Amino acid sequence: DAGITQSPRYKITETGRQVTLMCHQTWSHSYMFWYRQDLGHGLRLIYYSAAADITDKGEVPDGYVVSRSKTENFPLTLESATRSQTSVYFCASSEYREQYFGPGTRLTVT
Amino acid sequence: QQPVQSPQAVILREGEDAVINCSSSKALYSVHWYRQKHGEAPVFLMILLKGGEQKGHDKISASFNEKKQQSSLYLTASQLSYSGTYFCGTGSEVGGADGLTFGKGTHLIIQP
Repeated sequence: DAGITQSPRYKITETGRQVTLMCHQTWSHSYMFWYRQDLGHGLRLIYYSAAADITDKGEVPDGYVVSRSKTENFPLTLESATRSQTSVYFCASSEYREQYFGPGTRLTVT
Repeated sequence: QQPVQSPQAVILREGEDAVINCSSSKALYSVHWYRQKHGEAPVFLMILLKGGEQKGHDKISASFNEKKQQSSLYLTASQLSYSGTYFCGTGSEVGGADGLTFGKGTHLIIQP
């Protein structure tokens, strides 16, 4: 089915472990984004990408790494997970204006 | 800087009207409105660009006052399906190509 998907939908990991969240879109949108959502903070931008091999930091990039070797994929890696990274992570894509959000990944770091 | 939304929460009866405000201390190029239902992803409602235009579809409309750096979302004759959390997002470029800065959200509860 066309759209934007995220995997896994739920993940529990331990402090210090590396974890990668996947995002895939089938629209060939140029722009892709990663946000995290926490109670009391709303949605905050982690990283964004304007095209394959072009990425840039958002508001809260520390502790995260992204790559975009293909237009349709935009994985987010937590290099050494910390409890403060427990959150719901949303990937989004856009071609021009409106952003389309994936279903989210709920990550718990113990 | 994060835009400020008001009110934080509002409870209405079905059929009543609601206004949600979004203000920013920074100059705005665009304001995006999204609605999120519990446990789901945010869904795009509309975008407003510089020029003070007002947009709408169905019974939901919005305005954008560039000089005051404010936007307001109007929900007319609210329906039960309007319940959820509404977010405004501000972009530094037209279309938010470098991502959006979202407010903390306004929780809207519509009661029968």
